[in-house]
Amino acid sequence: EIVLTQSPGTLSLSPGERATLSCRASQGVTTRYLAWYQQKPGQAPRLLIYGASIRATGIPDRFSGSGSGTDFTLTISRLEPEDFAVYYCQQYGPSPLYTFGQGTKLEIK
Amino acid sequence: QVQLQESGPGLVKPSGTLSLTCDVSRGSISSDHWWSWVRQPPGKGLDWIGEIYHSGNTNYNPSLKSRLTISVDKSKNQFSLRLTSVTAADTAVYYCATSRDYCLDNWGQGTLVTVSS
Repeated sequence: EIVLTQSPGTLSLSPGERATLSCRASQGVTTRYLAWYQQKPGQAPRLLIYGASIRATGIPDRFSGSGSGTDFTLTISRLEPEDFAVYYCQQYGPSPLYTFGQGTKLEIK
Repeated sequence: QVQLQESGPGLVKPSGTLSLTCDVSRGSISSDHWWSWVRQPPGKGLDWIGEIYHSGNTNYNPSLKSRLTISVDKSKNQFSLRLTSVTAADTAVYYCATSRDYCLDNWGQGTLVTVSS
């Protein structure tokens, strides 16, 4: 099983600042198999990025994804108040088919 | 966009069976993608449970495989989850979602299931 480790566990920033979230895999992940989600309290996760760098429908362009191999990054260029949430990375395959990182909580400083 | 809605008992007794249904609206269960279940214990992260295709083919998380059945009912445009021999560790919010392009791109709102006597 591929293990995803996200860092930091908690990130404290102010609106307008840039956020950089990391996801490291225990072994190489095919780029098209890496996704990022946002989850706000009491809500279901929302897909932000798939294929490591492709924004999902309706996702603002301040969200971007990058990386390859074992190191992937989600960047939020300029934080808006609604961006403070928990973020998860996810990889596909081989077994179980979908595994998630433990999450990074982005909180207002 | 397809809409998903989970339903089922919110309380299950230990050693009992957890059964949930996901109703699919604004789309067909026979679409060319898979349908997944994911759960999230209170205050914790996300765990993928398994998925099904409209043909009935399934993929399960090995950690749950011995207790798990996912099925599809095309006549009702829904798919279902059945988890046997539940314990307190199965207490979680259960989500249904669409599996497409190696990610989970559309989610239901989730339903909390508590395992307790």
